Amino acid sequence: NAGVTQTPKFRVLKTGQSMTLLCAQDMNHEYMYWYRQDPGMGLRLIHYSVGEGTTAKGEVPDGYNVSRLKKQNFLLGLESAAPSQTSVYFCASSFGGKYNEQFFGPGTRLTVL
Amino acid sequence: GIQVEQSPPDLILQEGANSTLRCNFSDSVNNLQWFHQNPWGQLINLFYIPSGTKQNGRLSATTVATERYSLLYISSSQTTDSGVYFCAVDMRGSTLGRLYFGRGTQLTVWP
Repeated sequence: NAGVTQTPKFRVLKTGQSMTLLCAQDMNHEYMYWYRQDPGMGLRLIHYSVGEGTTAKGEVPDGYNVSRLKKQNFLLGLESAAPSQTSVYFCASSFGGKYNEQFFGPGTRLTVL
Repeated sequence: GIQVEQSPPDLILQEGANSTLRCNFSDSVNNLQWFHQNPWGQLINLFYIPSGTKQNGRLSATTVATERYSLLYISSSQTTDSGVYFCAVDMRGSTLGRLYFGRGTQLTVWP
């Protein structure tokens, strides 16, 4: 099993450009999450999904959109990138419910110039 | 949301030393996880421990849910233990599973 994978690993954008980050998991997990990590801080939740076709906002959703068209994939989109979105992005997945161990992907390092 | 505080923020050790990292949280939780973020940025699951004590090799963890804290013990530390250790909790009563992270403890182990 590959676990949770993320594409791409690194990306540099110019302000105003758009891009999509892809997260894939092969553990048949229902729940998927996108977090961002900024220097000196823990991870903060951007958006999450509790099942195929569902998405919801987390703690810092502004400037991002998501889609969950297939159970195994969770996409994070930046429509018009800003320097404040320079960060490391982590995807996670879990079975969900009350007992909910999350497993993380390797991260995507994004720089917006 | 729930507040998660980790201490100490930084820890420097000689190889072979033991250490204790602490995580306090402000509300009741469904679950608690400890992660190690290695120097390459990868988040590695160490423990899923909503209560009680678990051990895995040189590492062990204890969560006292009624007193709202968890401890991570590292014995006979090695240079490969260096990195940031995060505690994250999932709030009791929530079925959404979102994790609230502390700011982490930066551990440096010197040879």
